[in-house]
Amino acid sequence: DSGVTQTPKHLITATGQRVTLRCSPRSGDLSVYWYQQSLDQGLQFLIQYYNGEERAKGNILERFSAQQFPDLHSELNLSSLELGDSALYFCASSVGSGANSGANVLTFGAGSRLTVL
Amino acid sequence: GQSLEQPSEVTAVEGAIVQINCTYQTSGFYGLSWYQQHDGGAPTFLSYNGLDGLEETGRFSSFLSRSDSYGYLLLQELQMKDSASYFCAVNRDDKIIFGKGTRLHILP
Repeated sequence: DSGVTQTPKHLITATGQRVTLRCSPRSGDLSVYWYQQSLDQGLQFLIQYYNGEERAKGNILERFSAQQFPDLHSELNLSSLELGDSALYFCASSVGSGANSGANVLTFGAGSRLTVL
Repeated sequence: GQSLEQPSEVTAVEGAIVQINCTYQTSGFYGLSWYQQHDGGAPTFLSYNGLDGLEETGRFSSFLSRSDSYGYLLLQELQMKDSASYFCAVNRDDKIIFGKGTRLHILP
């Protein structure tokens, strides 16, 4: 157990639907990152939050949104789902952000596998 | 933009040494990290180079040369359990960007 909790582990839904993925970071970590990993693909950076504030954005689609709450858990919302959104979504957390060396050590959750039919 | 290049696959023999290279086209990043991911699992942190030079952690070592825009992960005394994908990553402006990964195959 890495200490980063992601729910649900598996999710099957239909095109056009909306889902919410949840992440609780490791105790003491203030940063949360979201990544998308498709079959045989690398980890695509989506978005990062630090202590409740959005810090960096990657190639996140407009249909996707996220937020980090005061208790530091984060949610990734995916709407108007398409077949191509089927992927493994990882959340990771770290102690710091930016130049802080602790920012470079990410602890990943087990992932949420999304299947869009 | 920023991109990291890694070989897609590397094959080595059990007990041997293997080096996985990572070249990048970015500047102003804070450091180079390495992660391991087994099939069906989550990535796990292996090593971080904030400064140029070699970092050693048990059987694994990592190296960074900013002047050459190059880094590598060195795995010694390979074991079958080391069969996995290995990713290099850079932290730039709070974006931790990963390479596409190198699949390591180990032959008995």
